[in-house]
Amino acid sequence: DVKVTQSSRYLVKRTGEKVFLECVQDMDHENMFWYRQDPGLGLRLIYFSYDVKMKEKGDIPEGYSVSREKKERFSLILESASTNQTSMYLCASSFIRTGSYEQYFGPGTRLTVT
Amino acid sequence: GDSVTQMEGPVTLSEEAFLTINCTYTATGYPSLFWYVQYPGEGLQLLLKATKADDKGSNKGFEATYRKETTSFHLEKGSVQVSDSAVYFCALFRPTSYGKLTFGQGTILTVHP
Repeated sequence: DVKVTQSSRYLVKRTGEKVFLECVQDMDHENMFWYRQDPGLGLRLIYFSYDVKMKEKGDIPEGYSVSREKKERFSLILESASTNQTSMYLCASSFIRTGSYEQYFGPGTRLTVT
Repeated sequence: GDSVTQMEGPVTLSEEAFLTINCTYTATGYPSLFWYVQYPGEGLQLLLKATKADDKGSNKGFEATYRKETTSFHLEKGSVQVSDSAVYFCALFRPTSYGKLTFGQGTILTVHP
C-alpha cells in the first residue's frame, strides 16, 4: 500500500514563528504536492515538485516556501506564520508518467496560528 | 483556466436514500475526471475516475459518467449508508498540467440512520 505520512496531525504555533510541515512518501513518486483545505474553498494548491530540488508555484504560494532535498520528502515552510494561515494542510504524491496520475494523500496537519 | 464546480452543500439524507452530487467542469482539451472522498479525520482517497467521454467510473456502489456534451461528472449512489458520510470532491486532470489536479470546493454528505 502507498503510504504518505505527515509529521504532525495537529500543530499550534504563534504568530511570527517559523513553521515546518514535513511529508514523506514511500512509493518512489516523482510528484509531490502541498494543498491547504478550507471550508467552502476546497483544496487549493500551494506548491508542487516534480523532481528533487525542483519546485513550482501553485495557486496560492504567497507566504509559503518548500524544500525537496530527497525524492521521498517534501517540506512546506511558513517563514513567519500568520493567523490567516490557520488551516488544514494536505500533502499528496503521484507518478509523473501518463496514465498513473492518481494522487495519494496523507492524513493532513491541522495548523492553528494564534 | 481550468475549474470545477460542485453543487452547494451540505447534503443530508436518510439511510437507503438516492444520492446525486452534481459536478461540472471547465477545461480545454480532454481532461480526466475524478471523485475523491475524505472520511472524518482522514486524507483524501480516490473513489472513482473516468478518462474519456462516455466512460463510467464505479466503486463501492457509487457511479459517475463523463458527459462531454454537458461538461459534467455527477456522482450517484442508489442507496446510501451511514458509513458514506464524508466530504466528496470532484477533480479534473489535464495531461499537460504536470500532474496537477483541479478540485471542486467539496460537498459534505451526512447520512442519518
